[in-house]
Amino acid sequence: QSVLTQPPSVSAAPGQKVTISCSGSSSNIGNHYVSWYQQLPGTAPKLLIYDNNKRPSGIPDRFSGSKSGTSATLGITGLQTGDEADYYCGTWDSSLSAGVFGGGTKLTVL
Amino acid sequence: EVQLVESGGGVVRPGGSLRLSCAASGLTFDDYGMSWVRQVPGKGLEWVSGIDWNGASTGYADSVKGRFTISRDSAKNSLYLQMNSLRAEDTALYHCGRGVTTIDYWGQGTLVTVSS
Repeated sequence: QSVLTQPPSVSAAPGQKVTISCSGSSSNIGNHYVSWYQQLPGTAPKLLIYDNNKRPSGIPDRFSGSKSGTSATLGITGLQTGDEADYYCGTWDSSLSAGVFGGGTKLTVL
Repeated sequence: EVQLVESGGGVVRPGGSLRLSCAASGLTFDDYGMSWVRQVPGKGLEWVSGIDWNGASTGYADSVKGRFTISRDSAKNSLYLQMNSLRAEDTALYHCGRGVTTIDYWGQGTLVTVSS
């Protein structure tokens, strides 16, 4: 059971928009920055979003992040088949004094 | 280009020990905290341990506390994870990463299998 809660799967058609939620508590999301990671099949995770809503260099603006209270959301617009991957949210947890991840969400582009 | 290359994985019996290494290049190693994250094949990510830029502060997941020790050697630009009292549930692909609260570069991982 992960500390952060994500839906196991989401799906949408190419060109459409999808959002992935990440729910936590005051000890993690509520008081710390959230990051989002994309893991394509057979590869290492890749940082997509950091500090709730910032994109590293090279990440297209189709990817966006937001946070409100103890929840965070990853948005992906203009879906492409190449976006099919597992997506994870992550942050720090003050109560655990440890990093925490969500259980991951599998995105299917139909 | 930042590169992180893990090594040291393998097959070990329950109760045994392994030491993982992560060789870092393309970065000023002393400027960054570092982490270990593991992933059971087909499952999600689990943060294992983190260390700050100079090794003064470390943190561990409850699942490994007291059994695993993270360390770093700035002269060798390397990160380590000493794993003792290994259990079957420690079987996973172990990634090292740059950063602790946000991991912006990841290695490809080294596979640890704990089995009798």
